[in-house]
Amino acid sequence: NAGVTQTPKFRVLKTGQSMTLLCAQDMNHEYMYWYRQDPGMGLRLIHYSVGEGTTAKGEVPDGYNVSRLKKQNFLLGLESAAPSQTSVYFCASSYWRGGPESTDTQYFGPGTRLTVL
Amino acid sequence: AQSVAQPEDQVNVAEGNPLTVKCTYSVSGNPYLFWYVQYPNRGLQFLLKYITGDNLVKGSYGFEAEFNKSQTSFHLKKPSALVSDSALYFCAVRDDILTGGGNKLTFGTGTQLKVEL
Repeated sequence: NAGVTQTPKFRVLKTGQSMTLLCAQDMNHEYMYWYRQDPGMGLRLIHYSVGEGTTAKGEVPDGYNVSRLKKQNFLLGLESAAPSQTSVYFCASSYWRGGPESTDTQYFGPGTRLTVL
Repeated sequence: AQSVAQPEDQVNVAEGNPLTVKCTYSVSGNPYLFWYVQYPNRGLQFLLKYITGDNLVKGSYGFEAEFNKSQTSFHLKKPSALVSDSALYFCAVRDDILTGGGNKLTFGTGTQLKVEL
């Protein structure tokens, strides 16, 4: 199993350009997540999905859109990139076994380093 | 809202000595706590988690964590540090089910562990 993979690994954009980051997982996980990591701020949740065809906002959703057309893929889009979106982006996925006491581990991809000039 | 705090940006320890990386939490319900490690230019890797039961949780690579309800702490420990343990460590807490579920995590800001010879 490849686990969680992310494409591309690196990208440089100019302000105003658009791009899509692709996340794929082969573990048949129901839940998927997009985070951004910035120095001194830890990881912050951008959007997440609890199943195919569903998405929800996280802590910092502004400027991003997502889609989950297939269970194994979760796409993160930037319609008009801004320098403030320079960051490292991580995708993660997890099972959900159901019930309030169920807590399943999130598995992370290797990250995409994005620079917006 | 739930949160975790990692009061130390960096921890330095000599190889062979015990190490502790601190984490305190704030939750409205039952605490579900995690530790992740990030090696340079890599994604986050799961170390261990506390859901319920024994206050001493054992995880990967010889790490363990002690859950202390009265002090609202979940410190990461290892009896004998290795140079290869040098990495960025994140504490995280799962969202309370009442805030919408999704098995979402809130991360601390991270602690850089440096183990020297």
